[in-house]
Amino acid sequence: DIQMTQSPSSLSASVGDRVTITCRASQTISNYLNWYQQKPGKAPKLLIYSTSTLQSGVPSRFSGGGSGTDFTLTISSLQPEDFATYYCQQSYSTPRTFGGGTKVEIK
Amino acid sequence: EEQLVESGGGLVQPGGSLRLSCAATGFSFSDYAMHWVRQPPGKGLEYVSAINSDGTIKSYATSLRGRITVSRDNSKTTLDLQMGSLTAADTAMYFCARRGPGLALDIWGQGTMVTVSS
Repeated sequence: DIQMTQSPSSLSASVGDRVTITCRASQTISNYLNWYQQKPGKAPKLLIYSTSTLQSGVPSRFSGGGSGTDFTLTISSLQPEDFATYYCQQSYSTPRTFGGGTKVEIK
Repeated sequence: EEQLVESGGGLVQPGGSLRLSCAATGFSFSDYAMHWVRQPPGKGLEYVSAINSDGTIKSYATSLRGRITVSRDNSKTTLDLQMGSLTAADTAMYFCARRGPGLALDIWGQGTMVTVSS
């Protein structure tokens, strides 16, 4: 199975900050990397697929990058509604494993 | 509106079985592969199973293989997950999700809670 490692596991930031979350795969996954946002008590929401393609309706302050084994999710200017937990997931091979999550909290 | 609604969760004793269902509405169900993902209380997301659009190809998490079976009925637009030999480690919220662009999961249900306890 491909292991997905996210860092940091949590971070504190202020509204307006630029935030970057990293996801590393245990082997190359080409660009088959997706990002999800989850708020407490809710289902995950797809933000970005194929490393850098924004899902319809997702604000442009979210962006994704990387290739091979190393990927990033960047929020250019953190908004109050962005405080949540973020997960990466590889869709290169089965089982389609998730990272452990990054909780973004208010500083 | 494209929607997925899970059902079938509840309290089950260790060693017991449970069948979860997911009802799809608002899209052409038979065109999409579907997934099950679970989330233990306070923990992260875990891939459980997937099935292709016509039900001929199925995959399972390594740790769950042999205890679970995924199936679908395209005529009824439903997805099922049969689980057996349940332990406390299977306690989780179980989500069904649609595989969309980039093989990502673009539509999710609200989840159904499974609690394994005596």
